[in-house]
Amino acid sequence: KAGVTQTPRYLIKTRGQQVTLSCSPISGHRSVSWYQQTPGQGLQFLFEYFSETQRNKGNFPGRFSGRQFSNSRSEMNVSTLELGDSALYLCASESGVDTGELFFGEGSRLTVL
Amino acid sequence: EDQVTQSPEALRLQEGESSSLNCSYTVSGLRGLFWYRQDPGKGPEFLFTLYSAGEEKEKERLKATLTKKESFLHITAPKPEDSATYLCAVETGANNLFFGTGTRLTVIP
Repeated sequence: KAGVTQTPRYLIKTRGQQVTLSCSPISGHRSVSWYQQTPGQGLQFLFEYFSETQRNKGNFPGRFSGRQFSNSRSEMNVSTLELGDSALYLCASESGVDTGELFFGEGSRLTVL
Repeated sequence: EDQVTQSPEALRLQEGESSSLNCSYTVSGLRGLFWYRQDPGKGPEFLFTLYSAGEEKEKERLKATLTKKESFLHITAPKPEDSATYLCAVETGANNLFFGTGTRLTVIP
């Protein structure tokens, strides 16, 4: 069974640019959530999608947005990048809603110069 | 304010030297507490879910316990392959998930 796949794995952007990250969940999983991981703040919840609907949203500015497609694949977008957006962005899928068992991808490491 | 605190930040153990990692939490309505393991360059890997005080879960050399204010991850006779960062996460009654910043465990042969 294939795991959660995130692309790209690494990317470098400059301030003011925008970026789109992609996540393919485990086959059959309909819930996808996104997290930002930094050394100082740890893992912080961005948003969660289930069946193309955003179920929950963390405390991030509107520059951070996401969506989920009918095949459960998800994308997140960050516009007007700032230096502080440099982080590892992790996607996790869940077989249902609130099962508690998240399966994480290996992440997309974003560096903003 | 909902908060999850893990201690210590880093722990070095000799192979076979048992110890415990702590996760204390202050949240409004605990729905579940989760332990994950994260290796460098990888995403976190699910270990355990605990739902109520007094509950215990075990897997190989790891045992997780839960009280009303904290959880412990006990590591018995650790091996070098147990070296990783261990993350604790708490789901609140409002369906929000908060992670601690982790304990970086190093087991020396």
